[in-house]
Amino acid sequence: QVQLQESGPGLVKPSGTLSLTCAVSGGSISSTNWWSWVRQPPGKGLEWIGEIYHNGGTNYNPSLKSRVTILVDKSKNQFSLKLSSVTAADTAVYHCARNVGATGLDSWGQGTLVTVSS
Amino acid sequence: QSVLTQPPSVSAAPGQKVTISCSGSSSDIGNNHVCWYQQLPGTAPQLLIYDNNERPSGIPDRFSGSKSGTSATLGITGLQTGDEGDYYCGTWDSSLSGKVFGGGTKLTVL
Repeated sequence: QVQLQESGPGLVKPSGTLSLTCAVSGGSISSTNWWSWVRQPPGKGLEWIGEIYHNGGTNYNPSLKSRVTILVDKSKNQFSLKLSSVTAADTAVYHCARNVGATGLDSWGQGTLVTVSS
Repeated sequence: QSVLTQPPSVSAAPGQKVTISCSGSSSDIGNNHVCWYQQLPGTAPQLLIYDNNERPSGIPDRFSGSKSGTSATLGITGLQTGDEGDYYCGTWDSSLSGKVFGGGTKLTVL
C-alpha cells in the first residue's frame, strides 16, 4: 500500500518561499498515476494546488499558477512543492496525494501545517 | 467561494440514511467524473467514491455515489456516530483545467 509523507519548514516569513517535499513509499512515483498537492486553511475547505506526472508534466490551479512550481525527483521517489511570495493567506495544512481514476485522490499524506508569519 | 455547491450541514439519526448534494455546471460535473471524500476530525481526507460511483477497496457499500447532469449525490446508509465529519465533493473543471472541490458538508449523527 502506497504511503505519502510531507516534510518541510512549518514556519515561513511573509514574501518568502514555501518549500515542501512528499516522499512516496510502497510504490513507484513512475507509475501511471499523477501526484497532487492540496491545501486546507485552518477551519476551511480543500483547495487543489496542482499535480505532476513522472515525466514532469504539470497542471496548476490558475489562481496560484504564477507562484507555484511542482517538481518530481524519480531517483528519490518524491515530488516537491514551491510556493513563492507567500502571505498569511497561504497559512494552511498542506497535503500531498496520489491521483486515481479521472479525478480522485486515493492516498493522502497526513499533512503538514505551514504558518506564514514574521 | 467554491466552484461546487454543497449544503453546509446535514444531520440524521443513527441507523438512518442521509444524502449530500453537490451542484456544479457543464464545465465541471456536467462533463467530468465526480469523487467524494470523508474527513474525520483531525485527519486527512479519505476517498469514498471516485468516477461517480466507484468505491476504493475497503470502503463499505454503505457509501454510494450518483451523478445526474450537473449534480451529484453521496448517499450514506446505516449511519454510525463514527461517520460524523466533513464530506467534500470534487471533480475536474474543464474551463479552469484543474481540480475543484465543494465547500464541504458537516454531517452530524444525532
